[in-house]
Order: sequence, then C-alpha cells, then structure tokens
Amino acid sequence: GAGVSQSPSNKVTEKGKDVELRCDPISGHTALYWYRQSLGQGLEFLIYFQGNSAPDKSGLPSDRFSAERTGGSVSTLTIQRTQQEDSAVYLCASSLKPGTSSTYEQYFGPGTRLTVT
Amino acid sequence: GQQVMQIPQYQHVQEGEDFTTYCNSSTTLSNIQWYKQRPGGHPVFLIQLVKSGEVKKQKRLTFQFGEAKKNSSLHITATQTTDVGTYFCVVGGNKLVFGAGTILRVKS
Repeated sequence: GAGVSQSPSNKVTEKGKDVELRCDPISGHTALYWYRQSLGQGLEFLIYFQGNSAPDKSGLPSDRFSAERTGGSVSTLTIQRTQQEDSAVYLCASSLKPGTSSTYEQYFGPGTRLTVT
Repeated sequence: GQQVMQIPQYQHVQEGEDFTTYCNSSTTLSNIQWYKQRPGGHPVFLIQLVKSGEVKKQKRLTFQFGEAKKNSSLHITATQTTDVGTYFCVVGGNKLVFGAGTILRVKS
C-alpha cells in the first residue's frame, strides 16, 4: 500500500469490553509507533517497535494496554476492560529504522477514533 | 526522558499576518522535526533540522535551529487559511517526543 493504514476508522464500545486496533505500516519500514491523542491535545507516546528488538512499552498507561507486532509488519493494539478515559484517537506511525545520529520522518495512519460509552 | 516545551499554545491571527511557534529544550538536541496536523487529520512531516544554526525554507515557512541546538522556531509569513492546524516540534532518537503543539487559527 501507499501509506500507513489503520482499522477500524471508528470504534464505539461499551465500558468493560475489550477492543483491538490494527495498524498496517508502510512496507519496508522497520519502526512502528502507537500514539494516543485526546481531543485538542498533543500526541501521547504509547509503544515503539523496532525490527525484532524488544518493544519500548514505557508509554503504555496501564496493564490493560498491550500491543503486538507480528512478523515485523502488522501491529495490533489491545485495550482490555475499556474505560471512558480511554476514549481518544489512536494513531499509528511507521518509519525507517532511526539511527543514533539521524531520525527518519514518521508516516502516520489516519487513526482509529475510539469512543467508550 | 527528553522533553521539549512549545509556545505559544494557541494563536489566532488575521489572514496575511505572520506567525511563529517556538520549541525549547533544556538539553542539546541531535535534531528536531516539525509536523503539521490539520483539523481532523493526522500529523504530516514538514522538515528535519540537524545542523547548528540551520535555516530552511519551504515557500512561506521558515524553520530555524538554534546555534546551541536547544531551540527551534517555525515562522510563517503572510498566513493563509490553508495554514490552519496544529504545529508540533518533535525531538528524540529511537523514541520521538512530541511537543504539546501550537494551534493556529487564521481569520479571513
């Protein structure tokens, strides 16, 4: 595909239910990021995958949040027992491998708007 | 972890006026990136600055990296309604850190 894709584009769920959000990065991009953006706010880093290395999970807000990246490509962000404060837009981005002295631009997907009722 | 402060948080200008947003860090940065997010859209990469004192231009946009590599600015000359959105500076290596962003509104 030409860009990063995410699905679903919108998700409405009841409090307490689990949700899975999917991200398809650009082919060949080894780095994949998940962010959360609440209405009118900046981007909150959640998790970072780089190749086969252990992911950087330092941004995950609680143990209800987890993410996987299978085969170094597609990633799934799972939120268990959703709460109303989880309502936000979840953005995925991919890039070439960042180096120690250079950084590659991140290409963002359109996001998944999650609403927890 | 690395952090960056971005100001102002919000600016409302008349079309044709200039606009500037600033990012400041307490530590020396290896590089800095700028992104733009239109209302309802996702962030889109604008530019990356790497060298001390670097100045880059994209049409009406001028990006500057401070001599000490601790601050950066984005200046828009003669704003247009198409410039509306949130402008983010981004720093970091393996884990990029986004500034809080500056929301720009343009009155026509």
